[in-house]
Amino acid sequence: QKEVEQDPGPLSVPEGAIVSLNCTYSNSAFQYFMWYRQYSRKGPELLMYTYSSGNKEDGRFTAQVDKSSKYISLFIRDSQPSDSATYLCAMSGQSSGDKLTFGTGTRLAVRP
Amino acid sequence: KAGVTQTPRYLIKTRGQQVTLSCSPISGHRSVSWYQQTPGQGLQFLFEYFSETQRNKGNFPGRFSGRQFSNSRSEMNVSTLELGDSALYLCASKAGGPGTGELFFGEGSRLTVL
Repeated sequence: QKEVEQDPGPLSVPEGAIVSLNCTYSNSAFQYFMWYRQYSRKGPELLMYTYSSGNKEDGRFTAQVDKSSKYISLFIRDSQPSDSATYLCAMSGQSSGDKLTFGTGTRLAVRP
Repeated sequence: KAGVTQTPRYLIKTRGQQVTLSCSPISGHRSVSWYQQTPGQGLQFLFEYFSETQRNKGNFPGRFSGRQFSNSRSEMNVSTLELGDSALYLCASKAGGPGTGELFFGEGSRLTVL
């Protein structure tokens, strides 16, 4: 079993929809949680960075972390065709330095 | 502010050869990490450097090595290339020391081994 599980999709939604992306994890030492967006043939771009449990909002994006359930989510409101990309969750622990453990990524397509 | 710069962007090698990839972090960033991305395994951690010292290493064979220079620039080397080394190699940097702050990635170096 992988430390971080993420549904690979693909997920196809109409423009304007609310998108929900999720990851589950098994390592209770994880304390830092990130979401990256990766366009085809590009490097990952950091979208959200959160520490421990709780919510964080940035524009159309909301990240939620539930450490008790070992479950993190990314919500995208008013989705746009430009949001079409692969979304990667990543996490690390206090002692793991910059060693991020990534999910496999969810491919999202937003239809005009 | 310029982002993380990786060179070369694309390269083709044959089995048994070696390759050196270069990474220039964001100005002022002192931590550099390397990751390998493949369709089958996703993103996997290779190593992490801070102040010219390797702080952490992933589960890769000794053919994979790296170093960091005093100006924070970093290189990674893969010797005796195998077909399975074909991947996108990503460098990331951040301002703080290990375990703190946000990690920013470059565009990657896409290696094809024939």
